[in-house]
Amino acid sequence: EPEVTQTPSHQVTQMGQEVILRCVPISNHLYFYWYRQILGQKVEFLVSFYNNEISEKSEIFDDQFSVERPDGSNFTLKIRSTKLEDSAMYFCASRDRGPEQFFGPGTRLTVL
Amino acid sequence: RKEVEQDPGPFNVPEGATVAFNCTYSNSASQSFFWYRQDCRKEPKLLMSVYSSGNEDGRFTAQLNRASQYISLLIRDSKLSDSATYLCVVNIENYGGSQGNLIFGKGTKLSVKP
Repeated sequence: EPEVTQTPSHQVTQMGQEVILRCVPISNHLYFYWYRQILGQKVEFLVSFYNNEISEKSEIFDDQFSVERPDGSNFTLKIRSTKLEDSAMYFCASRDRGPEQFFGPGTRLTVL
Repeated sequence: RKEVEQDPGPFNVPEGATVAFNCTYSNSASQSFFWYRQDCRKEPKLLMSVYSSGNEDGRFTAQLNRASQYISLLIRDSKLSDSATYLCVVNIENYGGSQGNLIFGKGTKLSVKP
């Protein structure tokens, strides 16, 4: 069964450093998403991406964040200058034309 | 304000028990409804979509009441493997171009004991 994959599974970085989180969505899917989940809290929407552009972003997704689909398979989330409060699980999700979204296993980001 | 509210639990039940989870959502523009399950430190996994007519998948039954903005999940004959956090999720799609971002509840923790 096709699935969303994400790398790395765990990223440790120093405050102020840039990180890039990578995702490979399910191959025939059209809509891509990033969500995050701070430990003990609910899953929160960050950004949606369709047709090679951002379609919606939350207030969390400020100028420090960017997304890119550099080729036909990868979908990346970049955090330019990480803060302590960026420590969280970051989940990528994708869907086709239906409403159901399928999530990758996540990247645990730890900012020291 | 867009919110999804759930009883956080935990629900501690014996194997074989029937357990019900409830959820309310505040935005009447919500279009699609789901239950996801999440194991500790894992990704949310789609359990089932919820339809207005109610739907069943094996031991799992979901109901939606749009008038009351209320969603439920019933699990019959609980198994040890059902232990997880159950997330109530809604999708607000508007015709202005929103691509259906999911709004999650905090989840209800279920622990099934032998």
